Amino acid sequence: KAGVTQTPRYLIKTRGQQVTLSCSPISGHRSVSWYQQTPGQGLQFLFEYFSETQRNKGNFPGRFSGRQFSNSRSEMNVSTLELGDSALYLCASSFMWGADQETQYFGPGTRLLVL
Amino acid sequence: AQSVTQLDSQVPVFEEAPVELRCNYSSSVSVYLFWYVQYPNQGLQLLLKYLSGSTLVKGINGFEAEFNKSQTSFHLRKPSVHISDTAEYFCAVSVFNQGGKLIFGQGTELSVKP
Repeated sequence: KAGVTQTPRYLIKTRGQQVTLSCSPISGHRSVSWYQQTPGQGLQFLFEYFSETQRNKGNFPGRFSGRQFSNSRSEMNVSTLELGDSALYLCASSFMWGADQETQYFGPGTRLLVL
Repeated sequence: AQSVTQLDSQVPVFEEAPVELRCNYSSSVSVYLFWYVQYPNQGLQLLLKYLSGSTLVKGINGFEAEFNKSQTSFHLRKPSVHISDTAEYFCAVSVFNQGGKLIFGQGTELSVKP
């Protein structure tokens, strides 16, 4: 079974631009969560989508948004990029029932550099 | 609110020595507990998890962890480490029945020396 895939793997943008990152969950997983990882703040939860609905949201400004499609694939968007948005963005998926519920499996991440 | 504290930011050990990475959590409700490992330039790989049942949990690569409810701890152990165990290790919690929101500790960098 294929793991979580994220595209692109690397991205360079300039301040003020916007960016869209994509995540394809493990087949059969319906929950997708997004995290930001930086050296200073560590791993921080952005949001979670389940069945195309945002179920949980972290403490990030409205410039960070996301969505989930009917096939469970998810995208996150960051508008008006700031230098501090440079980070590794990780996507995780989980299967919400059975013995493996609540367990999140992570993709390799998208490394975003804002210049 | 929940929080996770990893008590050591860096742990240097020699190859074949035992290691313990410490994790304490704070929560007023029931939580699930996880350990993840991150190798350089990679995502997070699940090492082990505690959802319920036996408090001693065995994971991949010879790691195990023990859930101690009274001390709100979930320390990770390995009896004999290898050079390939060099990585960053993250302890995380999620709240029971609240789905996919993991709260992470700051990470422990394990450095295994020959």
